[in-house]
Amino acid sequence: DTGVSQDPRHKITKRGQNVTFRCDPISEHNRLYWYRQTLGQGPEFLTYFQNEAQLEKSRLLSDRFSAERPKGSFSTLEIQRTEQGDSAMYLCALPGGYNEQFFGPGTRLTVL
Amino acid sequence: AQSVSQHNHHVILSEAASLELGCNYSYGGTVNLFWYVQYPGQHLQLLLKYFSGDPLVKGIKGFEAEFIKSKFSFNLRKPSVQWSDTAEYFCAVNAYFTGGGNKLTFGTGTQLKVEL
Repeated sequence: DTGVSQDPRHKITKRGQNVTFRCDPISEHNRLYWYRQTLGQGPEFLTYFQNEAQLEKSRLLSDRFSAERPKGSFSTLEIQRTEQGDSAMYLCALPGGYNEQFFGPGTRLTVL
Repeated sequence: AQSVSQHNHHVILSEAASLELGCNYSYGGTVNLFWYVQYPGQHLQLLLKYFSGDPLVKGIKGFEAEFIKSKFSFNLRKPSVQWSDTAEYFCAVNAYFTGGGNKLTFGTGTQLKVEL
């Protein structure tokens, strides 16, 4: 148990549809991270939050992607007008004490 | 920019064989290094970490890794693998943002298969 849940675990959508994923930390954490993992690759950083503030965004995060953390607890990641290239596992992570991060189970997105 | 290279993409070993997975990193700041493991159907789990001090770090399940600064390496080792070690292994380096905060940069992973 990494202390973070993600919903849904799997999402299948058609190209052009919008999708939203949610990340719920079990306990309070100032920071929350989003990563994306495609087949055969390691996770790639997308963005992170310090409380409600989104402080860094990767160039991978095109303008079709938006992330929020409205109350500094849970976070959502929305992808608008999905493309087949968006198919991936989307991971949420929480910080540990030595810069390590603990990852949730992920949301696997398949865009048809 | 930081980067991580894992040279072995697929490794097949017999049970009881010794394991060494290579990891080389590139990062100009203070180095924190990690190995993560992903068992089939499970989420990423932290195997071990190097923060400072003793360059030989020990993790869970009998794994260890050695930080060699002069070689920019952080290789993962296990003296005797078990079938249950079949998994994908990722090396990662921590990088700090200029304005504060950090992220992990991962290698492409090594798929380890242990045969009975």
